[in-house]
Amino acid sequence: AQSVTQLDSHVSVSEGTPVLLRCNYSSSYSPSLFWYVQHPNKGLQLLLKYTSAATLVKGINGFEAEFKKSETSFHLTKPSAHMSDAAEYFCVVSAPGGYNKLIFGAGTRLAVHP
Amino acid sequence: GAVVSQHPSWVICKSGTSVKIECRSLDFQATTMFWYRQFPKQSLMLMATSNEGSKATYEQGVEKDKFLINHASLTLSTLTVTSAHPEDSSFYICSAGVQGNYGYTFGSGTRLTVV
Repeated sequence: AQSVTQLDSHVSVSEGTPVLLRCNYSSSYSPSLFWYVQHPNKGLQLLLKYTSAATLVKGINGFEAEFKKSETSFHLTKPSAHMSDAAEYFCVVSAPGGYNKLIFGAGTRLAVHP
Repeated sequence: GAVVSQHPSWVICKSGTSVKIECRSLDFQATTMFWYRQFPKQSLMLMATSNEGSKATYEQGVEKDKFLINHASLTLSTLTVTSAHPEDSSFYICSAGVQGNYGYTFGSGTRLTVV
């Protein structure tokens, strides 16, 4: 069975400061991991994905995440927050290969203040 | 590339009526599509997996007779909410598996309000 836990339901940062959104996963085998962003009343946009290649994954809009097997973590970071980063972020786990169903975390709402 | 179009973006219907939501892959063939439901300020919950040419696989607790899924072609899957009730009001999102480039593309979602 697979699951994902997002450790913070809300994160608030000032514009220009670093962003850290935490995610821990549980999987009985090597998982595929994703981060998605959702703006209000919109669909989801893929930020980045880990599929057993490099453990440090770079995504769009300056985001990156590091897969740490020993810590079962896949935290999302960005060096400098922008106002447009304010949104809901979902950490997602899936079984590797094929088109397996995605298991979503509860989400983290990121607020960015001027 | 890899665009998924979902229609309508919002719909209001009366209790007891049925509503159909379409999910189309515009520039690729999607053998597998997924339907999710999202309540306000909550995460996405997978409702069912739709496979082209076969019956959908529903998640536990999802009523297959209430949420009818049809995936008749490689570019179209539909979700029909039958005999809708106010508690069916929600945000419904589809996604499609992208062949040749393992990943998932999401539609923009449909806000359903049942009055």
